[in-house]
Amino acid sequence: KQEVTQIPAALSVPEGENLVLNCSFTDSAIYNLQWFRQDPGKGLTSLLLIQSSQREQTSGRLNASLDKSSGRSTLYIAASQPGDSATYLCAVRPNGSARQLTFGSGTQLTVLP
Amino acid sequence: GAVVSQHPSWVICKSGTSVKIECRSLDFQATTMFWYRQFPKQSLMLMATSNEGSKATYEQGVEKDKFLINHASLTLSTLTVTSAHPEDSSFYICSASGQGAQYFGPGTRLTVL
Repeated sequence: KQEVTQIPAALSVPEGENLVLNCSFTDSAIYNLQWFRQDPGKGLTSLLLIQSSQREQTSGRLNASLDKSSGRSTLYIAASQPGDSATYLCAVRPNGSARQLTFGSGTQLTVLP
Repeated sequence: GAVVSQHPSWVICKSGTSVKIECRSLDFQATTMFWYRQFPKQSLMLMATSNEGSKATYEQGVEKDKFLINHASLTLSTLTVTSAHPEDSSFYICSASGQGAQYFGPGTRLTVL
């Protein structure tokens, strides 16, 4: 059974810092990996999706990497802003016909002004 | 991008009553919809997967007679929490699969008194 772990569970940084969020998964047979943002009491906003054949994806100040063989992904946030404060979730989709995403428990990020 | 809506966004009910939550894909057809539950400070846990016109597939530990799922059309799925109890209080999020990706609704906050 796939397990997804995110470290740290919570992170607080001053505005302007670059930071890295970590995600690891136990089964490397994945179809893709996705990073989401969740604001308190809200649904999920997709940030980046990396296919299993890709190594990284970039969107603005965000960069996500994927090392499938080692079961790891990182989300790099450059020049953090208070508006980046949220919970960040990573999720993996398995190979095969199943489409269910398995989510990590998230990293709660607070960017202090 | 594709939009998934949920209604209501929040609901408060008395113990023993039933609550229906709607999930709609607004601008695409979703052959598969997923229902997740999220308790405070925890990640999303998949409850069930529903395909249009067929019975839902429930995850282990989820009572199918308590959480009734109907996926009557390619744009609508409903989750009915029957005889709700305080322990059913949670954040329920639906997701629709379409256009090669999975899109999430904004969630429904259920509070059972």
